Amino acid sequence: KAGVTQTPRYLIKTRGQQVTLSCSPISGHRSVSWYQQTPGQGLQFLFEYFSETQRNKGNFPGRFSGRQFSNSRSEMNVSTLELGDSALYLCASSFSGTQNTEAFFGQGTRLTVV
Amino acid sequence: TQLLEQSPQFLSIQEGENLTVYCNSSSVFSSLQWYRQEPGEGPVLLVTVVTGGEVKKLKRLTFQFGDARKDSSLHITAAQPGDTGLYLCAGVRSGAGSYQLTFGKGTKLSVIP
Repeated sequence: KAGVTQTPRYLIKTRGQQVTLSCSPISGHRSVSWYQQTPGQGLQFLFEYFSETQRNKGNFPGRFSGRQFSNSRSEMNVSTLELGDSALYLCASSFSGTQNTEAFFGQGTRLTVV
Repeated sequence: TQLLEQSPQFLSIQEGENLTVYCNSSSVFSSLQWYRQEPGEGPVLLVTVVTGGEVKKLKRLTFQFGDARKDSSLHITAAQPGDTGLYLCAGVRSGAGSYQLTFGKGTKLSVIP
C-alpha cells in the first residue's frame, strides 16, 4: 500500500512570496494533519482536516492555511513568506483520527525562504 | 508553551550500553505515542500507550506510561548503531471533532560502534 506522499520534497522561495504544499494520504485515510518542524521548536501542529473540514488548528498566524479535497488529498498554503517560515513541513494521515489511531507521516517538504 | 518536556536532548553512547529517555507533561493526554525519525524522513510510530502504568515491549525497547498518564519513558537495552535517530514522544488529544499530536522536542541518539 502506498505511503503518504508529499510534494515537492524541496522548495526555495523568496521573502514575500507564497507557497503551496501538497499531501496525498494513504488510500482510505480521511484525517490529514500538518506539522512544522524546526530545530528550535521541534514539531508543531498546524491544523487537521477530516472529510474536507478543518477540525483543529494550532497557534500559527493566518498566513498559514489549508484545505482538503473530496479525495482526502490536502494542500497547505503559506502567504507572505518570512525567513522564519523555513522549516520541514510534515503531513500525517490516519484512518479516523482517534486516540489509538496510528498516524503515518510523509517524508516532508523542506522549505527554505531566502 | 511546550507541554511535553523530553530529556536528555542529546545522547551519545557506545554500542551495547543501556539508555533511558524521559517524556514529562504538564497535561493529561488521551494517549501517548513514541516515534523515531531518521534524517530526511518523517517520524515513524513505535508504540502507543493508553493506560496509566502500562508497559509495552518492542524487542530491545521498553516503554512505560506513568500512573497519572502525564509522563513516559523509553528504555533501550544493549543499544545498536541502527538505533541511532531522533526519538519523539507525542501526546494525543482526541475527542469529538478533533485530533492533535503535541510533540516533545525530541532526543537525538547516537550509538557509536
